[in-house]
Amino acid sequence: QKEVEQDPGPLSVPEGAIVSLNCTYSNSAFQYFMWYRQYSRKGPELLMYTYSSGNKEDGRFTAQVDKSSKYISLFIRDSQPSDSATYLCAMSVTGNQFYFGTGTSLTVIP
Amino acid sequence: DAGITQSPRHKVTETGTPVTLRCHQTENHRYMYWYRQDPGHGLRLIHYSYGVKDTDKGEVSDGYSVSRSKTEDFLLTLESATSSQTSVYFCAVGLAGTATQYFGPGTRLLVL
Repeated sequence: QKEVEQDPGPLSVPEGAIVSLNCTYSNSAFQYFMWYRQYSRKGPELLMYTYSSGNKEDGRFTAQVDKSSKYISLFIRDSQPSDSATYLCAMSVTGNQFYFGTGTSLTVIP
Repeated sequence: DAGITQSPRHKVTETGTPVTLRCHQTENHRYMYWYRQDPGHGLRLIHYSYGVKDTDKGEVSDGYSVSRSKTEDFLLTLESATSSQTSVYFCAVGLAGTATQYFGPGTRLLVL
């Protein structure tokens, strides 16, 4: 069993839709949770970073961590064509070694 | 982009040859990482460094070695490249005291 599981999609939504991206994990010791966005043939860029549990909001993006269910989510409101990318979740116990999901491919259709 | 460059950006090599990839950063970050990214596997940590001459293994370290003789440079070496090491390699730097990382542009390596 992988440390982090993520549905690869692809996910296709109309512009303006709310997007929900999710990851599950098996290691209850994870306490750092990140979401990255990766455009084609580019390096990942950090979107959201959460320590421990709870919600965090940044503009159109909201990250949620449910440690009791070992489940994290990223919500994108009012999705835009520029949001079309692959979204990666990542987790860490210590903040040194990171475990990534395989990524979910998202396309936002104008 | 946290001042990260990777070289070369593309490389084609033959099985059995040594290959060294370079990661260079300009902002004196203490932590540096090497990952490989493959379809169906996502990003997997190869090695990381927490200071000059201080390195540790990651999830998929077999067949790879690293060196860090200066804060700004982190080298990844494939001693004898194999076709299974065909991948996209990303370097990242980590901000001390947080779990945030910034990634370089990647190196595409093809081993024939």
